[in-house]
Amino acid sequence: DGGITQSPKYLFRKEGQNVTLSCEQNLNHDAMYWYRQDPGQGLRLIYYSQIVNDFQKGDIAEGYSVSREKKESFPLTVTSAQKNPTAFYLCASSIPSGEQFFGPGTRLTVL
Amino acid sequence: QQPVQSPQAVILREGEDAVINCSSSKALYSVHWYRQKHGEAPVFLMILLKGGEQKGHEKISASFNEKKQQSSLYLTASQLSYSGTYFCGTQGVQNSGGYQKVTFGTGTKLQVIP
Repeated sequence: DGGITQSPKYLFRKEGQNVTLSCEQNLNHDAMYWYRQDPGQGLRLIYYSQIVNDFQKGDIAEGYSVSREKKESFPLTVTSAQKNPTAFYLCASSIPSGEQFFGPGTRLTVL
Repeated sequence: QQPVQSPQAVILREGEDAVINCSSSKALYSVHWYRQKHGEAPVFLMILLKGGEQKGHEKISASFNEKKQQSSLYLTASQLSYSGTYFCGTQGVQNSGGYQKVTFGTGTKLQVIP
């Protein structure tokens, strides 16, 4: 079955730690995205990538980093510079200008 | 710039109709609509491209007025399964050789009660 997987489902981080969220897709989509969602809020774009080895900052990129070494994979690192990282993180992929397919999400909590 | 959705929340009884609006301050190439249930990922409903088309998905349809930079989502004869938060996502006019990112609104929380 084609789709997007994210891991882990729940993640706990101590203050000052970097953590990496995994996102993998087998839909053969060129474009991939990372969104952050806070309670009662919409989806805010962190980073997106249109092709391998290229990515652009979204609206709230500070404190985050990404890589796109393979078409299937777009991991997100939440660094210690992100002061308020507790949120629900969603990864998505799409063909250009097409519908976005979302993964199940990772819920990150800072202890 | 983030599109504006209205209303922010609505409660319906089963069988009633609802309209959710999405407006943007910039010229639009497309409007996406998604539904998200609590704790789950958003699910795609439909996409409308500039041209003023209207689309339907079961008893859910949408229109896109590119001149007004607005889209409306119509839910008719609502069912309990329609409950969730509805998001519109807007995409600006394409530049040659690329495409613009989709920007999501803050959502409309819809609750259908028996």
